[in-house]
Amino acid sequence: QKEVEQNSGPLSVPEGAIASLNCTYSDRVSQSFFWYRQYSGKSPELIMSIYSNGDKEDGRFTAQLNKASQYVSLLIRDSQPSDSATYLCAVNRNNAGNMLTFGGGTRLMVKP
Amino acid sequence: DAGVIQSPRHEVTEMGQEVTLRCKPISGHDYLFWYRQTMMRGLELLIYFNNNVPIDDSGMPEDRFSAKMPNASFSTLKIQPSEPRDSAVYFCASSLWTSGITDTQYFGPGTRLTVL
Repeated sequence: QKEVEQNSGPLSVPEGAIASLNCTYSDRVSQSFFWYRQYSGKSPELIMSIYSNGDKEDGRFTAQLNKASQYVSLLIRDSQPSDSATYLCAVNRNNAGNMLTFGGGTRLMVKP
Repeated sequence: DAGVIQSPRHEVTEMGQEVTLRCKPISGHDYLFWYRQTMMRGLELLIYFNNNVPIDDSGMPEDRFSAKMPNASFSTLKIQPSEPRDSAVYFCASSLWTSGITDTQYFGPGTRLTVL
């Protein structure tokens, strides 16, 4: 089992819809969770971080964390074509300093 | 802040040649990470440093790869000799350890390496 798993996609949604991206992780002691966005040919950039169970909202983005189920998700409301990118889920490793384990990413396509 | 700086942005070399990739982390950050990204394997951590000291190099594929961090503002990743399977995008990232919580890693623009 991979440490951080994501559906590779592509996930295709129409413009204006809600995009739902999911991630599961295997290490029960993980405490820090991140969503990065990566445009083709560019470097990953942070969208959101979440540390506690529940929802965290930032503009059109909502991160959801359920530690009991070892599940973290990212919702993008009112999806725009500019949201088309690969979304990487990252989880800290056993509180090992600042080390992160990245999932394989989900490619999102928002169609006009 | 200029962010994480990497050089060169693109490198094309022939098999057997030595390749050196360079990274300048964000000023004040105490962690530095080297990653490799390919379509097949995704984003892989190669090695990371804390306060210039290598902490975990278990991701370094083999002895042909080496990394150094002589001071807080500079790190190198060297491949000698290079092989075609080393072709990938290499990212450097840095972060700051605050209050015992794993913090955000900021990525540089990457170096696209092609080994012919």
